[in-house]
Amino acid sequence: ETGVTQTPRHLVMGMTNKKSLKCEQHLGHNAMYWYKQSAKKPLELMFVYSLEERVENNSVPSRFSPECPNSSHLFLHLHTLQPEDSALYLCASSQEWATTNYGYTFGSGTRLTVV
Amino acid sequence: AQSVSQHNHHVILSEAASLELGCNYSYGGTVNLFWYVQYPGQHLQLLLKYFSGDPLVKGIKGFEAEFIKSKFSFNLRKPSVQWSDTAEYFCAVNAGAGNNRKLIWGLGTSLAVNP
Repeated sequence: ETGVTQTPRHLVMGMTNKKSLKCEQHLGHNAMYWYKQSAKKPLELMFVYSLEERVENNSVPSRFSPECPNSSHLFLHLHTLQPEDSALYLCASSQEWATTNYGYTFGSGTRLTVV
Repeated sequence: AQSVSQHNHHVILSEAASLELGCNYSYGGTVNLFWYVQYPGQHLQLLLKYFSGDPLVKGIKGFEAEFIKSKFSFNLRKPSVQWSDTAEYFCAVNAGAGNNRKLIWGLGTSLAVNP
């Protein structure tokens, strides 16, 4: 275990479904991130939360909706996804946002398949 | 725009061979540099990092990397690879100033070590 826990590990959903991905960290980190990892593409930063405030939203479609109720939990709510949204979604945390001098701690990811 | 380039997409080696994976970045200011590794089915984890000081950085599992500022490079090396080093390796560069500082990722290099 890395200290960052993601659930579920695998998710298959239809294009009309609504589901949520969950991320939890108890490392005392102040920043949390959602990344999308697709084959043959660099890791894509989706959202950044620092001290529970969204500080970055990298032109992500509105069918992805993040939520950070407290500094230990991060959600990614999904609705009306497209097949091209199938990917590995990674959650990460770091002590502070923007400096990230200590690197990120990643979760194991949720493998999402949209059918 | 800032970018990170990993020249080798797929590398196949035999055990005990030496390894060098290339990483170049495009940013003229101060950078922090990272190598992450992702073993099959596992989470991304930090292999080593450079902030300042000695440009030759030692990481876990016998890996090292050298920061050559004049070449904008941060190549990863290991003198003698093992089968257990089979994994995906990602170079990342923390670049930019202040709140615009971002972690930029390379595409990754897939390493397969044959026993």
